[in-house]
Amino acid sequence: EVQLVESGGGLVQPGGSLRLSCAASGFTFSRHWMYWVRQAPGKGLVWLSRINGDGSSTSHADSVKGRFTISRDNAKNTVFLQMNSLRAEDTAVYYCGYQGSGGSGVYWGQGTLVTVSS
Amino acid sequence: QSALTQPASVSGSPGQLITISCTGTSSDIGGYNYVSWYQQHPGKAPKLMIYDVSNRPSGVSNRFSGSKSGNTASLTISGLQAEDEADYYCNSYTSSNTFVFGGGTKLTVL
Repeated sequence: EVQLVESGGGLVQPGGSLRLSCAASGFTFSRHWMYWVRQAPGKGLVWLSRINGDGSSTSHADSVKGRFTISRDNAKNTVFLQMNSLRAEDTAVYYCGYQGSGGSGVYWGQGTLVTVSS
Repeated sequence: QSALTQPASVSGSPGQLITISCTGTSSDIGGYNYVSWYQQHPGKAPKLMIYDVSNRPSGVSNRFSGSKSGNTASLTISGLQAEDEADYYCNSYTSSNTFVFGGGTKLTVL
């Protein structure tokens, strides 16, 4: 059974940093693109970042470029999202996902809540 | 990258057919066959319903179908059921090597 378990969310002050983790199991992790998206309270989904199987290729949305960095550790089947210079508008549920085989669709975990507030 | 355009809400009665549109540009929907659709119930994670414009993942009902014409993609749900009531989001690859979501459509089953 495929599982994606996000962790690392919580309350952080504006200007602070947080690193989210997503532990994967049930599939060959190193063969799949991994993704992060977020959803602010009561709002829609926003695409953030993706990384290829060996970690050599990444891309980020313009809205977070330079502040957020996606990375992965294939030995630990884990993908990360390093978030710096956090702002109140970064408050959201953050979901990680993996791209299925044979197509561009993504399967998502249950999410972790990040709250940026003083 | 601007969000794709979806209607804020659609509604239908049980058994009916509804269609949700998703309009982008030639730099996203029109340029690639990498359009996905996600269903999200309140408080739950998004669920993949359609990928690569018209493909259904294993386990997704064949009442759900996808298509594309030019810069507009569509999700069609036939035989509407109460459990289909949810938010639906389209998503497309873009020429900037990123992805973009639509603003979401709230489906109400009357």
